[in-house]
Amino acid sequence: DTEVTQTPKHLVMGMTNKKSLKCEQHMGHRAMYWYKQKAKKPPELMFVYSYEKLSINESVPSRFSPECPNSSLLNLHLHALQPEDSALYLCASSQGTSGGNQETQYFGPGTRLLVL
Amino acid sequence: GDSVTQMEGPVTLSEEAFLTINCTYTATGYPSLFWYVQYPGEGLQLLLKATKADDKGSNKGFEATYRKETTSFHLEKGSVQVSDSAVYFCALGKGTYKYIFGTGTRLKVLA
Repeated sequence: DTEVTQTPKHLVMGMTNKKSLKCEQHMGHRAMYWYKQKAKKPPELMFVYSYEKLSINESVPSRFSPECPNSSLLNLHLHALQPEDSALYLCASSQGTSGGNQETQYFGPGTRLLVL
Repeated sequence: GDSVTQMEGPVTLSEEAFLTINCTYTATGYPSLFWYVQYPGEGLQLLLKATKADDKGSNKGFEATYRKETTSFHLEKGSVQVSDSAVYFCALGKGTYKYIFGTGTRLKVLA
């Protein structure tokens, strides 16, 4: 089973709202990722968690706040977003145990976010 | 720096036609290479991968061979179906956790 689930599927929020995106995997993976994908573009890496610790932050604005409460869950907290933050947000996971070798990432279906 | 170049789309084919989507890369070392497919309104699905030179990845009738001499990882399928219509991304593994994606190639298959 290589399933990563994400909720909600769609989200509409105003610029003053606070919302959260959720991601879950039960593959025993120890690395989890957030990506942002704009229309007709490839995904852009935002954050990587390894063993529940933030490993990579690709200079993402602080209005995006990731959280990894345990090895199966990954959240992305959203606050004071801008209309240009509207995009598909993808979660991914990988084994996290490859000892420095390149890992294969498995993606969820995404949350389509619209900021008004 | 490392990079991935994919052929521009969209690619439009008739059902049962032969498909090639070109992907070339520039990289130091020996990266892993991946093809992902994204159907409309969905996330990315791993289609196939190769981890070293001359490896051939295959899945669902799609194939790609890791060619170090030509720095290529072209995706091929012998007979496409309407259900193959999607966006295809070539990706290069950089370090443990990072991918470099190509720009994506949209495939449209007509019945």
